[in-house]
Amino acid sequence: NAGVTQTPKFQVLKTGQSMTLQCAQDMNHEYMSWYRQDPGMGLRLIHYSVGAGITDQGEVPNGYNVSRSTTEDFPLRLLSAAPSQTSVYFCASSRGGTGHSYEQYFGPGTRLTVT
Amino acid sequence: AQSVTQLDSHVSVSEGTPVLLRCNYSSSYSPSLFWYVQHPNKGLQLLLKYTSAATLVKGINGFEAEFKKSETSFHLTKPSAHMSDAAEYFCVVSEVKIIFGKGTRLHILP
Repeated sequence: NAGVTQTPKFQVLKTGQSMTLQCAQDMNHEYMSWYRQDPGMGLRLIHYSVGAGITDQGEVPNGYNVSRSTTEDFPLRLLSAAPSQTSVYFCASSRGGTGHSYEQYFGPGTRLTVT
Repeated sequence: AQSVTQLDSHVSVSEGTPVLLRCNYSSSYSPSLFWYVQHPNKGLQLLLKYTSAATLVKGINGFEAEFKKSETSFHLTKPSAHMSDAAEYFCVVSEVKIIFGKGTRLHILP
């Protein structure tokens, strides 16, 4: 099993550009989520999905879109990048979602810089 | 409302002495609680989780945590710190959403 994979590992964008961060898992997990990690802020939930075709907003959803057309993939789209979106982004998956005691498996992260 | 508070942003202990990382939570229901660890420039790894089966939970690398409903706390402890424990630790509550605390950076002094 590859687990949770993320691409790219590093990305530099100019303000206003758009891009998609890719996330895939091969564990047949129903629940997937995206977080951003900033110094002193922990991990903040951006969007999450409890299954194919179902997505919902997390704590900091503004400026980001997601879709979940398959169980395996959960891409995160930045519509118009801003310097405030400079961060490290983590994708995670688990067998179950909120309220469940299932472990989350994290990808290696994408370090994004917006200039 | 659901929330989690890690009471210390930094904790320093000497090698061989006990570790205490504090976490308080707020929840309307019976939440699931987790501790994750992140070593420098590494991904996140599960240390332990509370599943309501037992209030004292044992995890990997000698860590354990006690769920205290009356105090809404889930503090992480280890009897004897090792240099390899230096990392950032996150308390997580899973209820309506999965919410991370802001993290506690653990420093181990030789």
